[in-house]
Amino acid sequence: ILNVEQSPQSLHVQEGDSTNFTCSFPSSNFYALHWYRWETAKSPEALFVMTLNGDEKKKGRISATLNTKEGYSYLYIKGSQPEDSATYLCAFRSGATNKLIFGTGTLLAVQP
Amino acid sequence: DTAVSQTPKYLVTQMGNDKSIKCEQNLGHDTMYWYKQDSKKFLKIMFSYNNKELIINETVPNRFSPKSPDKAHLNLHINSLELGDSAVYFCASSPLDRANSPLHFGNGTRLTVT
Repeated sequence: ILNVEQSPQSLHVQEGDSTNFTCSFPSSNFYALHWYRWETAKSPEALFVMTLNGDEKKKGRISATLNTKEGYSYLYIKGSQPEDSATYLCAFRSGATNKLIFGTGTLLAVQP
Repeated sequence: DTAVSQTPKYLVTQMGNDKSIKCEQNLGHDTMYWYKQDSKKFLKIMFSYNNKELIINETVPNRFSPKSPDKAHLNLHINSLELGDSAVYFCASSPLDRANSPLHFGNGTRLTVT
């Protein structure tokens, strides 16, 4: 069974705080790691897809890093804004099965 | 224009009925998927189609049958609905079924079986 775990489950921060979450995945048969942003009543939207160990990706105030050898990825949000409030999902693509396996997400609430 | 659209958004039906959920994508993608969001909020893959051909079929009951009339459509038929089928079902598509292809999701269909 391939497990993808995210922590924390939820996070409440003040506007302007910087924050980060963790995605842990199997370190064997790595193919890709995806991050999605999922706002309430909307559909998940892709933020990043990372495939190489040491990858770092950035989109505005959001960035992500990847360590495939130890099986983790961090998502960072700098200077959180209320509109960043959403569930952030990571998904691991296994080279053995080619399936995209999702974590349960980290729910971020940014208070104005 | 919505890139991946699912209909209906809400579906309430009784046990034993047969129902369908439709999905269409206008992105020109080759691969389409059905995911089920379970009670623990996990998104679990059910099916994956590449150019109308089935490539992933997870261990879902055979009461669930996907139909892909063309590569822009992947419909989900569910026969003899059971209470446990109540969930949110998401359709998604990607350019190719490859490592670096992000998924584009529909808005989900909330199925309630009474």
